[in-house]
Amino acid sequence: EAQLVESGGGLVKPGGSLRLTCGASGFAFSSHSMKWVRQAPGKGLEWVASINSGSTFIYYADSVKGRFTISRDNAKKSLYLEMNSLRAEDTAVYFCARGLLGEDGIEYEVFDFWGQGDLVTVSS
Amino acid sequence: SYVLTQPPSVSVAPGQTAKIPCGGNNIESKSVHWYQQKPGQAPVLVMYHDRDRPSGIPERFSGSNSGNTATLTISRVGAGDEADYYCQVWDSSRDHVVFGGGTRLTVL
Repeated sequence: EAQLVESGGGLVKPGGSLRLTCGASGFAFSSHSMKWVRQAPGKGLEWVASINSGSTFIYYADSVKGRFTISRDNAKKSLYLEMNSLRAEDTAVYFCARGLLGEDGIEYEVFDFWGQGDLVTVSS
Repeated sequence: SYVLTQPPSVSVAPGQTAKIPCGGNNIESKSVHWYQQKPGQAPVLVMYHDRDRPSGIPERFSGSNSGNTATLTISRVGAGDEADYYCQVWDSSRDHVVFGGGTRLTVL
């Protein structure tokens, strides 16, 4: 059974840094693209970043570009989000999600499985 | 940037059919995906590529995409369908994922 578990969240001061980790199990992690999505309290879903299976294609939302870095370690079946220069508006639950892998081998920007999320609070 | 527009809320009586629209400029040229999120839970994919259902999603869920509107249709709605629903596309012109603002489905 597929499982995604986020960790590393918590309380951080504005301007600070945090590293989120998403551990995967129960599926061929190295074959799937992976993504981070966040949800501010009481708000909708906001895409943060995507990375393909081989780390050759990486995309960021404008709101985090230059401050956040997505990466992965296929040997460790782990996805990471390095967050720097954090702002109050980055406060949210951060979800990692798996990308849909088509039968044709195409990695689609469809989020077919999600972790339970990890709360990041940016406050002084 | 590409914008997806959803009504904040849709209400439907039990046993009836709910239609949740997602508006976007020429959205029919894009592949639309839908997620269900219940309070305190992670989102779940309920429809992808406009009209494909993931395994485990009931046949009561269907999707369509035409012109400037994609629609998620839920027939024979029950209390268990109460949730927030989000549409999503890939904006290839900017290499960005775009989510709609979400629609809260209320079963009266």
